[in-house]
Amino acid sequence: AQKITQTQPGMFVQEKEAVTLDCTYDTSDQSYGLFWYKQPSSGEMIFLIYQGSYDEQNATEGRYSLNFQKARKSANLVISASQLGDSAMYFCAMNDWRGNNRLAFGKGNQVVVIP
Amino acid sequence: ETGVTQTPRHLVMGMTNKKSLKCEQHLGHNAMYWYKQSAKKPLELMFVYSLEERVENNSVPSRFSPECPNSSHLFLHLHTLQPEDSALYLCASSQDNSGSGANVLTFGAGSRLTVL
Repeated sequence: AQKITQTQPGMFVQEKEAVTLDCTYDTSDQSYGLFWYKQPSSGEMIFLIYQGSYDEQNATEGRYSLNFQKARKSANLVISASQLGDSAMYFCAMNDWRGNNRLAFGKGNQVVVIP
Repeated sequence: ETGVTQTPRHLVMGMTNKKSLKCEQHLGHNAMYWYKQSAKKPLELMFVYSLEERVENNSVPSRFSPECPNSSHLFLHLHTLQPEDSALYLCASSQDNSGSGANVLTFGAGSRLTVL
């Protein structure tokens, strides 16, 4: 079974600065996917970025990039040039391609962007 | 409407009530999911429907009863709930291509349930 660990306490980040959110995972599979979702106070989980275990390059989507270190089993999210609207909970998740493809989520990181 | 819509957004019910949560997706996806989000805990997958058939039930108590009448609609029927069932219930949908990697879920905004 997969396990996702997000242990950082709540974070305050200055507007326009970058922030890195840590995520480590545990799996015995070679084929898997890693995801980051954002959950603002409205409740909706918003998909941000995806990294496949065989992707050699780190995924990027606009201001989001995923720092994928396969040997260390880490998939940190980097948000560049933080905006006030980035204040939210951020969840790391993974799925197992050979299994039932279901997402397992971490407990999340709280980010508050201050002006 | 687009995306995944959940109603009601907020629900307060007593332990003897019967109520239902509704989810509707307009994305043409073939799989729908119910998740439970409690404070300080990771999201818990409750049920999965693929092509309108229930393919997964993660040891959910029988007081929660899902229904998927078609590929666009998903319900969660609630009866004789307990206070510990108070949580945010999130519905999601995806184009489920098991084994092909990225299975990106699109979530609704959730139904906040309080059981008194």
